[in-house]
Amino acid sequence: QMQLKESGPGLVKPSETLSLTCTVSGDSISSNYWGWIRQTAGKGLEWIGHIYGVGDTINNPSLNSRVNMSLDMSKNQFSLTLRSVTAADTAVYYCVRTRILGIYLPFDSWGQGTLVTVSS
Amino acid sequence: EIVLTQSPGTLSLSPGERATLSCRASQSVSSNYLGWYQQKPGQAPRLLIYHASSRAPGIPDRFSGSGSGTDFTLTITRLEPDDFALYYCQQYGSSPLTFGQGTKVEIK
Repeated sequence: QMQLKESGPGLVKPSETLSLTCTVSGDSISSNYWGWIRQTAGKGLEWIGHIYGVGDTINNPSLNSRVNMSLDMSKNQFSLTLRSVTAADTAVYYCVRTRILGIYLPFDSWGQGTLVTVSS
Repeated sequence: EIVLTQSPGTLSLSPGERATLSCRASQSVSSNYLGWYQQKPGQAPRLLIYHASSRAPGIPDRFSGSGSGTDFTLTITRLEPDDFALYYCQQYGSSPLTFGQGTKVEIK
């Protein structure tokens, strides 16, 4: 059974960089799409971006200039960095899978989510 | 960016009743790439429906999706106690992928 689990600091200072890692078990990150979604009470669910293949990415233009994603095949992990954070980036961050092999299933698996608070 | 508007905001129903949730897109959703998700408090969303009308693996057949273009519907026949939750639609036909604001199905 596949699982995703987010890890990273729960508190980040304004103007600094948010860094999260998602550890995948039960599937290989060399296949399918892997991404990040965040959720706030005010804006609801917001897609951040996807990474796939050898590191190709598709990002939400609203965050594009501040977002970077990467894959670590040796650890079966993928990561998100979000630069120059503000209080508006406070959210629950989910890592997700979009299955593309055999059957296309958007966001068919989710991590449990991790709350990241931006505050000094 | 495609804006998805869900209605109603809250649906108050009793177990055994039928729930009809609407999702309207600001422009046509390419290839009807529209999904529905269920979220319960403290949990991540769960995929119910993809491609507008296909049930995800393991989803009971009381959940069904329909629609095309800009108007989509999620129907839950015979609500069970476990179905009272938040429901979101999401389009993945064009970037940026976007979500609706949600419909809460609550016990009347």
